[in-house]
Amino acid sequence: AQSVSQHNHHVILSEAASLELGCNYSYGGTVNLFWYVQYPGQHLQLLLKYFSGDPLVKGIKGFEAEFIKSKFSFNLRKPSVQWSDTAEYFCAVHTGGFKTIFGAGTRLFVKA
Amino acid sequence: DGGITQSPKYLFRKEGQNVTLSCEQNLNHDAMYWYRQDPGQGLRLIYYSQIVNDFQKGDIAEGYSVSREKKESFPLTVTSAQKNPTAFYLCASSFRRTSGGYNEQFFGPGTRLTVL
Repeated sequence: AQSVSQHNHHVILSEAASLELGCNYSYGGTVNLFWYVQYPGQHLQLLLKYFSGDPLVKGIKGFEAEFIKSKFSFNLRKPSVQWSDTAEYFCAVHTGGFKTIFGAGTRLFVKA
Repeated sequence: DGGITQSPKYLFRKEGQNVTLSCEQNLNHDAMYWYRQDPGQGLRLIYYSQIVNDFQKGDIAEGYSVSREKKESFPLTVTSAQKNPTAFYLCASSFRRTSGGYNEQFFGPGTRLTVL
């Protein structure tokens, strides 16, 4: 069955630390990849997406993600986190049909 | 402002009662979805609809029902048959891409349902 795995359920960082959140999926065909973020008290919203082309994609608020096809991965990165990045982050994979599969989410807490 | 609205924000229900959660979008999106969000489990798909008067079961459809009589509206009914209905429910919509598949999903603010 298709699945999306997020390696860390909870991450705690200090401000200015670098962030990398892992995401792996199990599907051998063409995929569209997404990272969504849910800030406290706010709607789930898109952070960045990959459909084709350059495997390094940039999103809002300084986030970027790299699609590595051979590793079935789409890890999210940010060089220097801020307190305002405290949120829950979801990786999602769309496999060309109708369905998008979401990972279990990673809760990030950034200490000021 | 374009977007997705869900109502109510909080809902309390007694066991054995059906309850309907509202979802409306003014984004002119073809597809609409209902998810259930539980801590540590991500988003699980309940139902989805690609066009008016058509909808499909997702991974956890048992105990739920939907309708899609208008493009803008996709209400979800949580029936008394749903064994564990207390959860956070999210509605979403998306555009079909001309190259196939769907664009990113836009989400509503959610409804938190508590069964007493």
